[in-house]
Amino acid sequence: DAMVIQNPRYQVTQFGKPVTLSCSQTLNHNVMYWYQQKSSQAPKLLFHYYDKDFNNEADTPDNFQSRRPNTSFCFLDIRSPGLGDAAMYLCATSPDRYNEQFFGPGTRLTVL
Amino acid sequence: TQLLEQSPQFLSIQEGENLTVYCNSSSVFSSLQWYRQEPGEGPVLLVTVVTGGEVKKLKRLTFQFGDARKDSSLHITAAQPGDTGLYLCAGVYSPPGNTPLVFGKGTRLSVIA
Repeated sequence: DAMVIQNPRYQVTQFGKPVTLSCSQTLNHNVMYWYQQKSSQAPKLLFHYYDKDFNNEADTPDNFQSRRPNTSFCFLDIRSPGLGDAAMYLCATSPDRYNEQFFGPGTRLTVL
Repeated sequence: TQLLEQSPQFLSIQEGENLTVYCNSSSVFSSLQWYRQEPGEGPVLLVTVVTGGEVKKLKRLTFQFGDARKDSSLHITAAQPGDTGLYLCAGVYSPPGNTPLVFGKGTRLSVIA
């Protein structure tokens, strides 16, 4: 089945220790998104790639970076995680920028 | 500023009851999606509505898009415990904005057996 896969499902890191979350898709969609979701809140868009074109949301901290080496994979790098970065991180894809989005299962990040 | 207002925020009902949740905005949307998210999982797309006044049915779930494409509702008939989850509405502005999809804060539904 075509899908969006996120690894790992659970990630524990220490304060200030860099961490990378990964997302892969078999849908062959052009657009890949990274969202941050904290408890009882809506997903908050961090950035998205339209093919190789990177689009950063204005309020995304510089601590968050992303890479998309090919159509299938996208990575979220948190350079120096703080306690406030503990959250669920969701990857999503869509065929084009203003279509419905398909989400992965998420990575739950804990910062100690 | 929350651009998509969802109500109620929380809803706890008995199995077999009917319920309606709402998604409202002062902005016009070219399309609106409804997602359900279970604890510890990503949102799952339920439906997309694109035409003002459109009604779509998915088993016991009925989705309606307002005539002016500024609001939507989700009605669940005879709710079951499996309907428990966070229901999110999300829209694409007309004309499109910088953010591809704008989310509401969600309605957290609990159906008690």
